Amino acid sequence: GEDVEQSLFLSVREGDSSVINCTYTDSSSTYLYWYKQEPGAGLQLLTYIFSNMDMKQDQRLTVLLNKKDKHLSLRIADTQTGDSAIYFCAESGGNSGGYQKVTFGTGTKLQVIP
Amino acid sequence: NAGVMQNPRHLVRRRGQEARLRCSPMKGHSHVYWYRQLPEEGLKFMVYLQKENIIDESGMPKERFSAEFPKEGPSILRIQQVVRGDSAAYFCASSPPGRGTEAFFGQGTRLTVV
Repeated sequence: GEDVEQSLFLSVREGDSSVINCTYTDSSSTYLYWYKQEPGAGLQLLTYIFSNMDMKQDQRLTVLLNKKDKHLSLRIADTQTGDSAIYFCAESGGNSGGYQKVTFGTGTKLQVIP
Repeated sequence: NAGVMQNPRHLVRRRGQEARLRCSPMKGHSHVYWYRQLPEEGLKFMVYLQKENIIDESGMPKERFSAEFPKEGPSILRIQQVVRGDSAAYFCASSPPGRGTEAFFGQGTRLTVV
């Protein structure tokens, strides 16, 4: 079945860039996502990328996709203490009719040191 | 437009009792998904429903778990005869028909079985 893997923990200093990496196994993945989960909260969709794209940038966030290596990364520029959270990488296959069955990684806990 | 609403936020049940978790999707969304997050793990897909129909329940445990999404009212995830291993955060997500790229998540129900 599909599998999504991430490192468990990342620590950075405030103001530095954070890079969170993810690998996935499903070659038919169509959408790749990054979600943010703050303590005790639900999931917030940060951004997503179509599998036919290499890069997507949205303000401080940059997503890079290497489809050949099935590698996805999320770069957060100028990391702030408010960015401390768990970041989930996720993927879903192509679909029609609006169905979305998402496979999540185990999450990377980002700690930002003031 | 309120987001996906889940209630209760926290639920404590004794072993053997029943747990009923409710999810009201966003306005205009007819697709509902339930995910379970065990402690220190990522989210695992449980079931996908449309109004009055279960489309995919491949992630649901075979016994004690059921889900419904009636024509009127919220989606319900029901767990009968709960056991300690059912303790987890249960997240609901919804999406509109025909747009499978994005689902919006509720804040989750944290079930504790004592």
